[in-house]
Amino acid sequence: DGGITQSPKYLFRKEGQNVTLSCEQNLNHDAMYWYRQDPGQGLRLIYYSQIVNDFQKGDIAEGYSVSREKKESFPLTVTSAQKNPTAFYLCASSATSAGELFFGEGSRLTVL
Amino acid sequence: DQQVKQNSPSLSVQEGRISILNCDYTNSMFDYFLWYKKYPAEGPTFLISISSIKDKNEDGRFTVFLNKSAKHLSLHIVPSQPGDSAVYFCAAVTEGSNYKLTFGKGTLLTVNP
Repeated sequence: DGGITQSPKYLFRKEGQNVTLSCEQNLNHDAMYWYRQDPGQGLRLIYYSQIVNDFQKGDIAEGYSVSREKKESFPLTVTSAQKNPTAFYLCASSATSAGELFFGEGSRLTVL
Repeated sequence: DQQVKQNSPSLSVQEGRISILNCDYTNSMFDYFLWYKKYPAEGPTFLISISSIKDKNEDGRFTVFLNKSAKHLSLHIVPSQPGDSAVYFCAAVTEGSNYKLTFGKGTLLTVNP
């Protein structure tokens, strides 16, 4: 079945540690995105990529990094520089500029 | 500056009645508007969209209305079912914006049996 797979679903880390969230899609979509959801904040764009080996910062990129070495994969690293990393992270992909995004099931990161 | 606003954080409706979810926007350059539905601890799923050149789009129980002069859109769910209980996000996109959607903060819909 085609879709987007995020892992892990739940992740805990200590302060000062970097952590990488995985996102894989087999929809053959060119564009991929990372969003962060906080209570009462809706979805905020962290990074996005339209093509392999290229990506752009979204609205809240500070403290995050990404790579796009393969079309299918768009991992997100939450670095120790991110001040408030505890959140629900959503990966998405899109085939068209009409904006229909397909989302993964999310990864909940908790910093202890 | 919030370009897409959902001013009602929550809405409660009786099963079988109509649910109306509202969304306002400030950017007149938006070309498409979309509604997403989200259950707790899951990713949002696409529900319905509308182009800025239309004023209505219908898909089963879901209808989206667009009033460009008022910069307002609404999602109507008729009849509402308990399974519709979720957070609904309004989103908008401009063609040529590098595929970036702008989301509202969401409205929690609760449909009571």
